[in-house]
Amino acid sequence: QKEVEQDPGPLSVPEGAIVSLNCTYSNSAFQYFMWYRQYSRKGPELLMYTYSSGNKEDGRFTAQVDKSSKYISLFIRDSQPSDSATYLCAMSFSDTGRRALTFGSGTRLQVQP
Amino acid sequence: KAGVTQTPRYLIKTRGQQVTLSCSPISGHRSVSWYQQTPGQGLQFLFEYFSETQRNKGNFPGRFSGRQFSNSRSEMNVSTLELGDSALYLCASSTGQGGEQFFGPGTRLTVL
Repeated sequence: QKEVEQDPGPLSVPEGAIVSLNCTYSNSAFQYFMWYRQYSRKGPELLMYTYSSGNKEDGRFTAQVDKSSKYISLFIRDSQPSDSATYLCAMSFSDTGRRALTFGSGTRLQVQP
Repeated sequence: KAGVTQTPRYLIKTRGQQVTLSCSPISGHRSVSWYQQTPGQGLQFLFEYFSETQRNKGNFPGRFSGRQFSNSRSEMNVSTLELGDSALYLCASSTGQGGEQFFGPGTRLTVL
């Protein structure tokens, strides 16, 4: 079983829809949680960065972390065709020497105009 | 502020050769981490360098090595290339004191 599970999709939605992306994880020691967006043949771009449990909002993006359920989510409001990309969740431990990111496999999102 | 740069962007090598990839982190960042991305295995951590010292290492064979220079620029080397080493190699830059990791565009390595 992988440490971080993520539905690979593809997830296809119409423009303007609310998108929900999710990851589950098995190691309760993870403390930092991130969402990256990756366009084809590009490097991952950091979208959201949260520590421990709670919500964080940035423009059209909201990240939620539920440590009790080992479940994290990314919501995208008013989705646009330019949001079409692969979304990767990532997480790490809190120790300075253990900040290597463990990634989910990524969810491919397609926003139809 | 300039982002993370990686050179070269594309490489084609043959089995048995070796290759060196370069990464320049964001100015002021002292930590550079390297990741391998393949369709089958996804993104996997190779190693992290902080202040010229390897601080963390992933589960890769010894053919994969790296180093960091005093200006925080980092190189990774793969010796005796195998077909399975074909991948996108990404480096990530951070302050090294926790915090976000920012990725470069990657180097796409093809081993024939």
